[in-house]
Amino acid sequence: AQSVTQLDSQVPVFEEAPVELRCNYSSSVSVYLFWYVQYPNQGLQLLLKYLSGSTLVESINGFEAEFNKSQTSFHLRKPSVHISDTAEYFCAVSDPGGYNKLIFGAGTRLAVHP
Amino acid sequence: GAGVSQTPSNKVTEKGKYVELRCDPISGHTALYWYRQSLGQGPEFLIYFQGTGAADDSGLPNDRFFAVRPEGSVSTLKIQRTERGDSAVYLCASSPGVPASGANVLTFGAGSRLTVL
Repeated sequence: AQSVTQLDSQVPVFEEAPVELRCNYSSSVSVYLFWYVQYPNQGLQLLLKYLSGSTLVESINGFEAEFNKSQTSFHLRKPSVHISDTAEYFCAVSDPGGYNKLIFGAGTRLAVHP
Repeated sequence: GAGVSQTPSNKVTEKGKYVELRCDPISGHTALYWYRQSLGQGPEFLIYFQGTGAADDSGLPNDRFFAVRPEGSVSTLKIQRTERGDSAVYLCASSPGVPASGANVLTFGAGSRLTVL
């Protein structure tokens, strides 16, 4: 069975500092990997995804994540965060042969302080 | 519609009552999913529809939970004899599910927050 572990429930950081949100997964088969973001009082939004090819994927707002098969990780990074990045971030996996049954981690709350 | 619409946005009910939560997916999306997000947790899969049929209902916690999608568009999640432990945000998502693929991106609604007193 697939599972996702997000090692940090909360990450406080100052504005313009770098940040890394950690995600590890377990699966006996190949996986697709996703990061979703949930802003206060809004629905989940896809931030970025890894399906195949380049192990480094980027979002339009400066986040990137790297798929590391040997370490079964998909950590999310941003070199310089903004106040507006304050949100809950969820890592998720799905089975490439399946139908988008996403398995989510418990989430990491990123709090950016001025 | 432009996005996934869920109603009501908030529902407060008493223990033992019956509740219906509605999801209106993106027009043309054949795949529809229900998830439940409890406080401090990630979303938990409940059920998946491909068209009108429930292709996977393995996440429904017990027989008090039931979902339908009679015309392959709008879906209703039904909870009988609600319990305090049912309190959570119920999320609906849809995707262009044909062909079904793990690469299809899910679009989520804002959720229905259920509080059982």
